[in-house]
Amino acid sequence: KNEVEQSPQNLTAQEGEFITINCSYSVGISALHWLQQHPGGGIVSLFMLSSGKKKHGRLIATINIQEKHSSLHITASHPRDSAVYICAVRGSNYQLIWGAGTKLIIKP
Amino acid sequence: GAVVSQHPSWVICKSGTSVKIECRSLDFQATTMFWYRQFPKQSLMLMATSNEGSKATYEQGVEKDKFLINHASLTLSTLTVTSAHPEDSSFYICSARSVGGANEQFFGPGTRLTVL
Repeated sequence: KNEVEQSPQNLTAQEGEFITINCSYSVGISALHWLQQHPGGGIVSLFMLSSGKKKHGRLIATINIQEKHSSLHITASHPRDSAVYICAVRGSNYQLIWGAGTKLIIKP
Repeated sequence: GAVVSQHPSWVICKSGTSVKIECRSLDFQATTMFWYRQFPKQSLMLMATSNEGSKATYEQGVEKDKFLINHASLTLSTLTVTSAHPEDSSFYICSARSVGGANEQFFGPGTRLTVL
């Protein structure tokens, strides 16, 4: 079993839908990252969380440390949100353990 | 948030040449920088951790003579792929950890290397 599991692996939705991507982990962490990777490969760091909830524009990220679970939500999704979303957890030594990514396609 | 830049964003080179990739923290000082590599359709893999002013720590299986890392200042780390071969073609990403404060980690946008 991987230490970081993302679900779903692939997600296709219509423009405007509310999107949820989940990340579960089995190790102790000091922080959790959500990143976005576009088809060209460019990486954008979306959030770094150690507790609670963060919001940036249409993106919301939550983490439940006790349940070892984080979610990334996208409200009013748009085709430009189409990308791979990656969850990565950081241990105490700053090593990152990466999820496999969730490929999101938003259709107009 | 803090910004990490990488240069170049993409590079194409001939087999046997060396390629240098720069990673800069633009508005903060980074004691530690990390270099990752991503093969197509695969997750990112940590290659090495570099601390300012000291030798980098390489992950198992990463050739330190092949991938030279220099972290000469608190805002700049470089990765040099020496004598590049087509199998080195990949997406290279750096991240930087800020000094003090929340010790946050910020990611560069990545560099796509294609070796012909």
